[in-house]
Amino acid sequence: DAGVIQSPRHEVTEMGQEVTLRCKPISGHDYLFWYRQTMMRGLELLIYFNNNVPIDDSGMPEDRFSAKMPNASFSTLKIQPSEPRDSAVYFCASRRGFGYTFGSGTRLTVV
Amino acid sequence: AQSVTQLGSHVSVSEGALVLLRCNYSSSVPPYLFWYVQYPNQGLQLLLKYTSAATLVKGINGFEAEFKKSETSFHLTKPSAHMSDAAEYFCAVSVDNNDMRFGAGTRLTVKP
Repeated sequence: DAGVIQSPRHEVTEMGQEVTLRCKPISGHDYLFWYRQTMMRGLELLIYFNNNVPIDDSGMPEDRFSAKMPNASFSTLKIQPSEPRDSAVYFCASRRGFGYTFGSGTRLTVV
Repeated sequence: AQSVTQLGSHVSVSEGALVLLRCNYSSSVPPYLFWYVQYPNQGLQLLLKYTSAATLVKGINGFEAEFKKSETSFHLTKPSAHMSDAAEYFCAVSVDNNDMRFGAGTRLTVKP
């Protein structure tokens, strides 16, 4: 298995632009999570899905953030418009059973 | 809500020495506890997990952790550090295996 695949690995964008982060979970995993990692706040859970349905989005910081999971093999996290304070590493993780498998992350820089 | 506190943001040991990374948890119900390792520019990798079975849990790379309810602790240990163990380590707690809360992390440095 190729693991959880995230793209792009790095994204640099200008403030105000739309950013879309992508994630392909491990086949057969029925839960998908989006996390954000910053030096100041550590790892924060943004949203998670079960069987493609959003279960808890209470961690999504603002309405500028949205996430979708149109099918079992693909999810997106969109920020529109982006702001410099959104700069962070965004991780996608999936699971079936105990323990998550994390992707390698997308390092987002908003200038 | 559940939470974890990792004592010490940086730990430095010599190669071959004991590794001890501390984690205390807070939870109103019996928790699931995890340790993850993160190497530079990579995602988190699961080291080991406690899911209410044996209190002494063995993980990958020679690491183990002991769940102590009376001390609300789940410290991570390894008898002999290797240079390749240098990384950041995260303790995490969950009560339903979904809303997983991570500690702030401990950066382990291994000196030759």
